[in-house]
Amino acid sequence: DGGITQSPKYLFRKEGQNVTLSCEQNLNHDAMYWYRQDPGQGLRLIYYSQIVNDFQKGDIAEGYSVSREKKESFPLTVTSAQKNPTAFYLCASSTRRSSPLHFGNGTRLTVT
Amino acid sequence: AQSVSQHNHHVILSEAASLELGCNYSYGGTVNLFWYVQYPGQHLQLLLKYFSGDPLVKGIKGFEAEFIKSKFSFNLRKPSVQWSDTAEYFCAVRGSSASKIIFGSGTRLSIRP
Repeated sequence: DGGITQSPKYLFRKEGQNVTLSCEQNLNHDAMYWYRQDPGQGLRLIYYSQIVNDFQKGDIAEGYSVSREKKESFPLTVTSAQKNPTAFYLCASSTRRSSPLHFGNGTRLTVT
Repeated sequence: AQSVSQHNHHVILSEAASLELGCNYSYGGTVNLFWYVQYPGQHLQLLLKYFSGDPLVKGIKGFEAEFIKSKFSFNLRKPSVQWSDTAEYFCAVRGSSASKIIFGSGTRLSIRP
């Protein structure tokens, strides 16, 4: 079955360490997105990519970085510059600009 | 810049009550509108969407939403809720000239059996 795989489900890191969250899709979707979900704040867009080797900053890109070397993969790195990294991270994809998003199951990152 | 407001943070209803969740957006042009639902422990899934045409759109599980352009609103409705509708509901908007989808802060719906 096609879908979006985010791994791991839970991730723990010490403050000051960079950490990379994985997102893989086998839906052949062109566009991929990273959102952060915090209680009471909904989903906030971190980065998005419409095609391979191209990506744009979302509303809260500071302290994060991404790459899009392959169509099916869109990893997110949470750097030590992100001041409040503990959150639930959601990856999504879509076929084209006007289509809805398909979501992965998310990665819960805890930084202590 | 586009934005979405969901004014109800937590709604509590009894089974069989009618539901209306508010959603207002800010964008100067044509929009695509979405409602997503997140059931406890599950991933986000699409309830319904509006792209063009009939402003009253029907989605899964008996939900519907009405796009009122003059009010920049896309409220979600259900005539009679069930306990299984307990979830968090998110409104989202994509401007026609934009690639990104912006979400509201969400509304938690709790249904009393």
